[in-house]
Amino acid sequence: SQTIHQWPATLVQPVGSPLSLECTVEGTSNPNLYWYRQAAGRGLQLLFYSVGIGQISSEVPQNLSASRPQDRQFILSSKKLLLSDSGFYLCAWSASWGQITEAFFGQGTRLTVV
Amino acid sequence: AQSVTQLGSHVSVSEGALVLLRCNYSSSVPPYLFWYVQYPNQGLQLLLKYTTGATLVKGINGFEAEFKKSETSFHLTKPSAHMSDAAEYFCAVSDSNYQLIWGAGTKLIIKP
Repeated sequence: SQTIHQWPATLVQPVGSPLSLECTVEGTSNPNLYWYRQAAGRGLQLLFYSVGIGQISSEVPQNLSASRPQDRQFILSSKKLLLSDSGFYLCAWSASWGQITEAFFGQGTRLTVV
Repeated sequence: AQSVTQLGSHVSVSEGALVLLRCNYSSSVPPYLFWYVQYPNQGLQLLLKYTTGATLVKGINGFEAEFKKSETSFHLTKPSAHMSDAAEYFCAVSDSNYQLIWGAGTKLIIKP
């Protein structure tokens, strides 16, 4: 069966420090991969999605970047964190053929920038 | 472009009462529709989905939703609310091979 792993679960980082959040998927190949953010009291904001290795689409210009070095690995990064980067980050995957019939989510990372 | 509207950012019901969370969508293609639930500090979990076939869809935890094409709606219901249903609920529509379009979410509050 397919599983998705996201870590760490919580993270407290100072302003100006770098960020690396990692997400891996098991049990499927060539998935679509997504990074979402939830700011306090707000809904889901799609940050990046990827349909293949090295293929990244950015939905919102910001202080963050994403990479997909392997088929089932998706990394969210920042060189210098801002206070406004605080939030709950979610990784997700969906099958890559046809119209999406389900998205599967990781458990999320609570990032607090101080 | 596709969009999803969830009426009410917060809905409060008494334990044992009917739960009704509203979702309306717009889509230029035959829609696939979803309801997800999120408990605090957790990821999203699929409650139910409509792709094709029967328009009344049953999901986990006693929830169900009905796809009404003429009303472009996919409202979520549960006959009797439990305290454990307190969570945030998201409606979404699949617009293509790549993305789900999400509603803003509705926080369900259960009063004892």
